[in-house]
Amino acid sequence: QSVLTQPPSVSGAPGQRVTISCTGYSSNIGAGYDVHWYQQLPGTAPKLLIYDNSNRPSGVPDRFSGSKSGSSASLAITGLQAEDEADYHCQSYDSSLSGWVFGAGTKLTVL
Amino acid sequence: EVQLLESGGGVVQPGGSLRLSCAASGFTFSTYAMTWVRQTPGKGLEWVSSIGGGGGVTYYADSVKGRFTISRDNSKNTLYLQMNSLRAEDTAVYYCAKGKGMTTSGWFFDYWGQGTLVTVSS
Repeated sequence: QSVLTQPPSVSGAPGQRVTISCTGYSSNIGAGYDVHWYQQLPGTAPKLLIYDNSNRPSGVPDRFSGSKSGSSASLAITGLQAEDEADYHCQSYDSSLSGWVFGAGTKLTVL
Repeated sequence: EVQLLESGGGVVQPGGSLRLSCAASGFTFSTYAMTWVRQTPGKGLEWVSSIGGGGGVTYYADSVKGRFTISRDNSKNTLYLQMNSLRAEDTAVYYCAKGKGMTTSGWFFDYWGQGTLVTVSS
């Protein structure tokens, strides 16, 4: 069972907006540690999508955005495209575990 | 261009050992922390171990502490993971990843290798 909780799946039609939540505890996100997001296309390695809650690495479209509030974080994807169909993972640090933690991942289906 | 290339995966019996390697290129290897993350087929990512740029500081998940050893050879730009006393639950794809961040607790992983599959089975 993952320390960070994500919905197993979300879906949306092309052009729509979807959000993926990542809920933690007072020992990780709630303690103020940053949240990072990764996109994993089918059969490939994860790729950094958002770092430090809301920053996009060079090359990531501005359709992807991140936010954090309290013990939770969210990834929003606007203008959904077929190529966005992938697994999305959140990551943070946990002071109780003294290590880095991931959510279980959310599978995005573009209808 | 940053490249990370893992090797060393394979099939091993429970209780056996395996050493993974990750050859890095395209960045100043000794400057960055490196990490191993694993993924059970069809499941989420699990942080396994990290090492500071100089190799003097190491971190382990409780699930592997005492069995796995992370190390690096900065002269060869290579990261290692020595895995001993392997269990069925260690079966996974193992990724090496380059760490980045202003503080240790703020580390994220900006580049990943393609992964190497470790199967622990009799």
